[in-house]
Amino acid sequence: QVQLRQWGAGLLKASETLSLTCVVHGESFNDFYWNWIRQPPGKGLEWIGEIDHSGTSNYNPSLKSRVSISVDASKNQFSLRLSSVTAADTAVYYCARVMRSWLKTWFDPWGQGTQVTVSS
Amino acid sequence: SSELTQDPAVSVALGQTVRITCQGDILRNYYASWYQQKPGQAPLLVMYGKNNRPSGIPDRFSGSSSGNTASLTITGAQAEDEADYYCCSRDSSDNQYVFGTGTKVTVL
Repeated sequence: QVQLRQWGAGLLKASETLSLTCVVHGESFNDFYWNWIRQPPGKGLEWIGEIDHSGTSNYNPSLKSRVSISVDASKNQFSLRLSSVTAADTAVYYCARVMRSWLKTWFDPWGQGTQVTVSS
Repeated sequence: SSELTQDPAVSVALGQTVRITCQGDILRNYYASWYQQKPGQAPLLVMYGKNNRPSGIPDRFSGSSSGNTASLTITGAQAEDEADYYCCSRDSSDNQYVFGTGTKVTVL
């Protein structure tokens, strides 16, 4: 059974770069796309982007100019970098696997979440 | 940009049935998936595809889809079903995923 564990800095100052990493245990890393999703306090979920083992990535157009997702398949890890953060980037950040089958897609499982707070 | 719209909140009496809907044009191309989120917890997948329940999800949860609308139904709602529910689907036009606005379900 696959498990995702994530870590990274939880407190940033405005204009700094957010950096988070997620490690995948128990499943073939190379067979899936791996995602980052965030949730601002009291708000809904927002998809940030995804990457596969080869480095092929897709990003949310609204964040694309500031986001970079990288992968280290040798360690079953993928990472998120978000530059020039502001208070609007304060959120719980989740990593998750996406499954795809014909016309179906779904996120499962999810990491435990990391609270990131940006102070001015 | 693509959007998925949900009712902000619904309530249901204990043991009764509640339907949560999700509307958006991208649902014409891909099925929705549904997530339950309780306070302080990560989202949990409860439904995907036409009507597929992950292992461990009670069979009182069911899904359906028609045109641009997807639905999640809880038949015989229990107190532990009180949570926020989000739909999600893929926008194939630009390879991104879109989450719904979320529905808060209260079990009375």
